[in-house]
Amino acid sequence: EDQVTQSPEALRLQEGESSSLNCSYTVSGLRGLFWYRQDPGKGPEFLFTLYSAGEEKEKERLKATLTKKESFLHITAPKPEDSATYLCAVHLSGNTGKLIFGQGTTLQVKP
Amino acid sequence: EPEVTQTPSHQVTQMGQEVILRCVPISNHLYFYWYRQILGQKVEFLVSFYNNEISEKSEIFDDQFSVERPDGSNFTLKIRSTKLEDSAMYFCASFEASGANVLTFGAGSRLTVL
Repeated sequence: EDQVTQSPEALRLQEGESSSLNCSYTVSGLRGLFWYRQDPGKGPEFLFTLYSAGEEKEKERLKATLTKKESFLHITAPKPEDSATYLCAVHLSGNTGKLIFGQGTTLQVKP
Repeated sequence: EPEVTQTPSHQVTQMGQEVILRCVPISNHLYFYWYRQILGQKVEFLVSFYNNEISEKSEIFDDQFSVERPDGSNFTLKIRSTKLEDSAMYFCASFEASGANVLTFGAGSRLTVL
């Protein structure tokens, strides 16, 4: 069964304290791995898509990496406005956009 | 920046009533989706729609649910007879399937069934 697991479920950081979020996956065939940010009561906001092991993408304080079994979202020197839930989702080979989501990591950054 | 628009943002209904949630996908996208998120739980796939027909649906998407693209711009989700457990955020999404290969979500419609 295709499965996506994120850890930790919740993470509290001080402003400036760097850390990483993990997304591990077991799928029959990976077409791509997505990272989204979700603020309370809002829809998922696209951050990155990664397609192959070894790929890295960066946006401001965020960097996403991908291996054959997991992805990491590294947050460097976070600010309070980075507080949100970060969702990982896999797009399986052979279908047209159905995503399987992890349960998310809720990040709180304190000033 | 192009966006997916959903209405209403919040709907309260009585159990057994029909509800229609509406979405305007990004104009050049060809694939459309409904997902839902029960409070505190994962975002779950409901249905995908392409070329005016359902291309895939989940076990959740039973006979009480239907989707339609009535006029070439709107994409609707109908729940025929709502149940308490249908209370959730419903997200519409659209996908270009070329170029950026990004699934773009709307802000969601919160459905509360009493």
